[in-house]
Amino acid sequence: GESVGLHLPTLSVQEGDNSIINCAYSNSASDYFIWYKQESGKGPQFIIDIRSNMDKRQGQRVTVLLNKTVKHLSLQIAATQPGDSAVYFCADSPSGAGSYQLTFGKGTKLSVIP
Amino acid sequence: KAGVTQTPRYLIKTRGQQVTLSCSPISGHRSVSWYQQTPGQGLQFLFEYFSETQRNKGNFPGRFSGRQFSNSRSEMNVSTLELGDSALYLCASSFSFRGGSTDTQYFGPGTRLTVL
Repeated sequence: GESVGLHLPTLSVQEGDNSIINCAYSNSASDYFIWYKQESGKGPQFIIDIRSNMDKRQGQRVTVLLNKTVKHLSLQIAATQPGDSAVYFCADSPSGAGSYQLTFGKGTKLSVIP
Repeated sequence: KAGVTQTPRYLIKTRGQQVTLSCSPISGHRSVSWYQQTPGQGLQFLFEYFSETQRNKGNFPGRFSGRQFSNSRSEMNVSTLELGDSALYLCASSFSFRGGSTDTQYFGPGTRLTVL
């Protein structure tokens, strides 16, 4: 499959503001999408996922929006905190693969300004 | 519940050697996937195992191989190491392969391999 891309490589936000991280995917066969957070020296940490039969899914302080028409995914973080500083990856998984076989974007580095 | 564990955490090898990395999935998880992470290529899928069978393989040379044991633990092996194999190797586990609506992949901390 084709790679998932990201619109912005870096994002700086003030503490307390909302953050929006965007992602474009190209594989129209993808039906499962995940956002991961990776801190320095650690493995990716699951944040939230969404399946293609949904447009929006909310978690604790996070919301993922999926627009299948334009193949766009976004992660919204409410009231961003210093602990949110990390690299965020979106990933997609094609249907019918019989496995996750995630394709990752290159990541967006989120920096929170205290 | 303990997370995905990987051993060793750091490894230094020289070109031409081979290396074996180990992954223990979350208890109860039966699917294990491996990914390679490099600054240039990002995160790339290597292969996935479920019930001791390789279900899918990424676009990597045959020097990269893996296996899964009956207790779901997995190992990956890289033979004839090249400088370009230096990377963070990540293992992820899930209950099944694209299973139920609540299933997803959880990653371990990775093994940092440096090839000199």
